[in-house]
Amino acid sequence: SFELTQAPSVSVSPGQTASITCSGDKLGDTFVSWYQRKPGQSPVMVIHQDSRRPSGIPGRFSGSNSGKTATLTISGTQAMDEADYYCQAWDSSTVVFGGGTKLTVL
Amino acid sequence: QVQLQESGPGLVKPSETLSLTCTVSGGSIRSYYWSWIRQPPGKGLEWIGYIYYTGSTNYSPSLKSRVSVSIDTSRTRFSLKLTSVTAADTAMYYCARSNAALGDYDYWGQGTLVTVSS
Repeated sequence: SFELTQAPSVSVSPGQTASITCSGDKLGDTFVSWYQRKPGQSPVMVIHQDSRRPSGIPGRFSGSNSGKTATLTISGTQAMDEADYYCQAWDSSTVVFGGGTKLTVL
Repeated sequence: QVQLQESGPGLVKPSETLSLTCTVSGGSIRSYYWSWIRQPPGKGLEWIGYIYYTGSTNYSPSLKSRVSVSIDTSRTRFSLKLTSVTAADTAMYYCARSNAALGDYDYWGQGTLVTVSS
């Protein structure tokens, strides 16, 4: 079955760049979306179709996808970006989520 | 502004059927895919399945034998039924909207916690 692997946690200092990766076989052959989930809130889509930013999402969020790895990059990370981030793709008509990465801004 | 709101029992007994409804307001239910996604405590997101406004469905292979999703376009709501529940089905259940069949969830409900326990 198709699986997406994410590191459980990533730490970044305020103002620095955070990179969160998602890996899976043939990931580059599909579109990847990224969701931000803060405690007590519903997930918010921050990137879709690999690199497109929905309306209202700050420009510091960007995405890429190639080969077996998709990457969510947060430039100039702010304290408000501390959250869990999930990648999502699909395979054989099935939606798959990664296990999530907890981003800590310290 | 599109809003989704889940409703249903917060407690279900083992072996019984979990039933949830998602009411859509502020937008049309037509031309979109409507999904159910859950998150067990301490775990990641899990896709359950979707229904298109025409009524066509697609379910997670791991849940397919126990899941059904229906839609009521006149009342702008869609529903989830999950049969023969166990403690492993305890989770926060979200409904969500997407333009694409397999992802890009742009609107989510606030979620409803369902606990399976006797």
